[in-house]
Order: sequence, then C-alpha cells, then structure tokens
Amino acid sequence: QLRLQESGPGLVKPSETLSLTCAVSAGSISSSDHYWGWIRQPPGKGLEWVGSVYYTGSTHYNPSLKSRVTISVDTSKNQVSLKLNSVTAADTAVYYCARQQRKYNGVCSEFDPWGQGTLVTVSS
Amino acid sequence: QSALTQPASVSGSPGQSITISCTGTSSDVGTYNYVSWYQQHPGKAPKLMIFDVTDRPSGVSTRFSGSKSGNTASLTISGLQAEDEADYYCSSYIGNNNLIFGGGTKVTVL
Repeated sequence: QLRLQESGPGLVKPSETLSLTCAVSAGSISSSDHYWGWIRQPPGKGLEWVGSVYYTGSTHYNPSLKSRVTISVDTSKNQVSLKLNSVTAADTAVYYCARQQRKYNGVCSEFDPWGQGTLVTVSS
Repeated sequence: QSALTQPASVSGSPGQSITISCTGTSSDVGTYNYVSWYQQHPGKAPKLMIFDVTDRPSGVSTRFSGSKSGNTASLTISGLQAEDEADYYCSSYIGNNNLIFGGGTKVTVL
C-alpha cells in the first residue's frame, strides 16, 4: 500500500526558506498516471493547494504562492521536495503531500492517498 | 480565485441523511466535472471520499454519494453514523491544472 511521509524542520524563522521532503514508499514516483502534490492547512483552518509536480519535473503552482514556491522531484530517491521562501507567520500550517490523479486528458484532480502531514511553525 | 462556499456546519441524528453543499461559479464547479470530497477527522490527514463528482474510491462506504447541479456540488451521507462526525472539504478543478478547496463543513452527529 502506497505510503507518503513528510519530513523537515518544524520551526522556521520569518523571511527564511521552508524546506520539506516527502518520501514515497511501496510505489514508484515515476508513474505516468500521477502527479505529486503539496497541500497545507493552517491551524484550525481549511485546506489550500500549494502545487504539484510530475516525475518529469513538470510543475503546477497555486497562483497565489507561485512567486515563492519551488516543488521538485528526485526519482532516484523516490521523493518530492517543497521549498517556500520569504516565509511569514501566515505560512504556519500542517503541510501534507499527496498523490494526485492525472486524467487521460492531462487534468490533475483528486488527491489520494495523503501523508500524515507535518506542522511547520514560522516564528522567531 | 476565491474558495468554494460550504456551510460551516451540518448536523443530523444517527440513521438520518444529510447533504453538504459546495457552491462555486461557472468557472469551476459549473464547468468541470472534477469535484472531489474529503473527510478529515481531528488530527488526521484528509481522506478521499468522492471524485469526479459522483465516483467513490474502492473501500468508501456506499452511504456516501456525490452530485452536481449547475454551480453547486453536493455530498450526501445516508444512514448517518457516529463515525461520520468529521470535517468535510470539497475541491474543484479550475483549469490550467489549478484547483481550489472549499472552506470546510463540520458534520455533527447528534
């Protein structure tokens, strides 16, 4: 059964860069049928899609975060990475990685399964 | 792009049916049949319950069903059970491989 595990620092200082890794196990990240996405959830609030990456390195980002986000893939390690620069307190959230279905027509839609998530707090 | 609109809370008694709405616009829910629903219990990761408006992933109870009319999608939970108490989020494709989520609905089983 496919498993995703997020990891990275739980505390980041304002203006610095948030860096997280998602390790995928029991399945290949080099799937033609899937993208790999990051979704975040501020404490007590709703979900926000951050962006997604294909095994080829092709990416799609939330327009509201695009200027600060970089998502990459390392097929040799079967993992995906997220970098978010110039962070502020508003970036404090649980960050989830998830597999995203790529439809026959190229549309990327639902996420399944999800990792357990990792809380990142932005504070000095 | 604004978040999809969901009621903050919906409640029902065990055995009843409840429906959660997810209202978007003609640019998202109204145009694309790529609406998904997620269930999230406290402290847990979201779980996919419905995709492509009406389809259920393997293993999801048939008590969960999805539909869409115009710019509004809906999730119906039939035969409400205590374990259904959770937060529910809808999501819609909005073109250019972007998507948005709803604000979430807290379901309470009375």
